[in-house]
Amino acid sequence: DAKTTQPNSMESNEEEPVHLPCNHSTISGTDYIHWYRQLPSQGPEYVIHGLTSNVNNRMASLAIAEDRKSSTLILHRATLRDAAVYYCILTSGGSNYKLTFGKGTLLTVNP
Amino acid sequence: GAVVSQHPSRVICKSGTSVKIECRSLDFQATTMFWYRQFPKQSLMLMATSNEGSKATYEQGVEKDKFLINHASLTLSTLTVTSAHPEDSSFYICSADRGSSYNEQFFGPGTRLTVL
Repeated sequence: DAKTTQPNSMESNEEEPVHLPCNHSTISGTDYIHWYRQLPSQGPEYVIHGLTSNVNNRMASLAIAEDRKSSTLILHRATLRDAAVYYCILTSGGSNYKLTFGKGTLLTVNP
Repeated sequence: GAVVSQHPSRVICKSGTSVKIECRSLDFQATTMFWYRQFPKQSLMLMATSNEGSKATYEQGVEKDKFLINHASLTLSTLTVTSAHPEDSSFYICSADRGSSYNEQFFGPGTRLTVL
């Protein structure tokens, strides 16, 4: 799987937008971009995924660069419950099922 | 929808005993289930991938005789830690894939294993 690079940590204030970056310069044309998050002492939770176009769902938005070498997870209004480790992961779809977790970005949300 | 449960959520055992952890997909059939291990302040490490009715595929460095995986049905997979030792103490997490083209996985809440 292609590798991703994320900042180790980021900080935000409650009710402000948060932009979490992810670099994936070696992404291939068929790789999906996934974001998962893990709250303390819990299993990871799916957040969003995309291939080429920007995506929105009830949790977040995913902005994908035109060359697909980077993406940004956008939390429109951070809450204290959004404090978690956010993982950006690439998968090639098809029969390659594995998710390879890196260190992710620890998001701290200040009240 | 797409809920995965694990049981037990927490277990403490003596060194040398075996511990079984169950992972169930509650509202969907899982084509594939995965087992991960997570040590404190570290990321998840994939241990093995299992498909219903077939032998699990273990990642390099994971002892298959120590971590027995049984995928009995499309909704149940079990991980048995045999002859557990203190170094096996960790957070064990399962996930399930329901076969979508983009490989979304649904994770269980995890099982905290402490071996004394």
